Amino acid sequence: AQRVTQPEKLLSVFKGAPVELKCNYSYSGSPELFWYVQYSRQRLQLLLRHISRESIKGFTADLNKGETSFHLKKPFAQEEDSAMYYCALLHNAGNMLTFGGGTRLMVKP
Amino acid sequence: DVKVTQSSRYLVKRTGEKVFLECVQDMDHENMFWYRQDPGLGLRLIYFSYDVKMKEKGDIPEGYSVSREKKERFSLILESASTNQTSMYLCASRLTGPDTQYFGPGTRLTVL
Repeated sequence: AQRVTQPEKLLSVFKGAPVELKCNYSYSGSPELFWYVQYSRQRLQLLLRHISRESIKGFTADLNKGETSFHLKKPFAQEEDSAMYYCALLHNAGNMLTFGGGTRLMVKP
Repeated sequence: DVKVTQSSRYLVKRTGEKVFLECVQDMDHENMFWYRQDPGLGLRLIYFSYDVKMKEKGDIPEGYSVSREKKERFSLILESASTNQTSMYLCASRLTGPDTQYFGPGTRLTVL
């Protein structure tokens, strides 16, 4: 069965510090992974997907199949990055997304 | 811009009441989803639908049912609400495959 694990419920860093939000998955098929973000009082929205290999708002994420991880990174955190972040795995012939438990990122001034 | 709307932002119901949560999307997406969002548990899929009148159970379907009579509308039904169904409910829609999934604003349901 598929599973997504985000080991940290809360991550607190100072502005300008590097950030890494961890995501590990278990899935027998070929994984397609996403990061979604929810800012305060806003709806959940897509941040990035691994197939795009893009950087959004300075964030990147690399799929590491050997370690079954898809960690989200940013070299210099900004206060506006404070939000709830969810890692998600697409499965069931591309029909279903399974989400991790989420990590709340707090960037302090 | 894709719009996913939910009928209520806040709802308060009593134990045993029948509750309807409505979701409408305006982008002709085949797939629609209902999740509940709880602190520490993330989003858990309740049900999803890949076409009109078609539905599949997600990870936590117990105590819920759904209805999809029209492509743009997906309803979540709590036949007899219980206090452990107090939660934030999120609706989402997606075209197909690895396309972006778009979420509604959520309905915070409190069952007393």
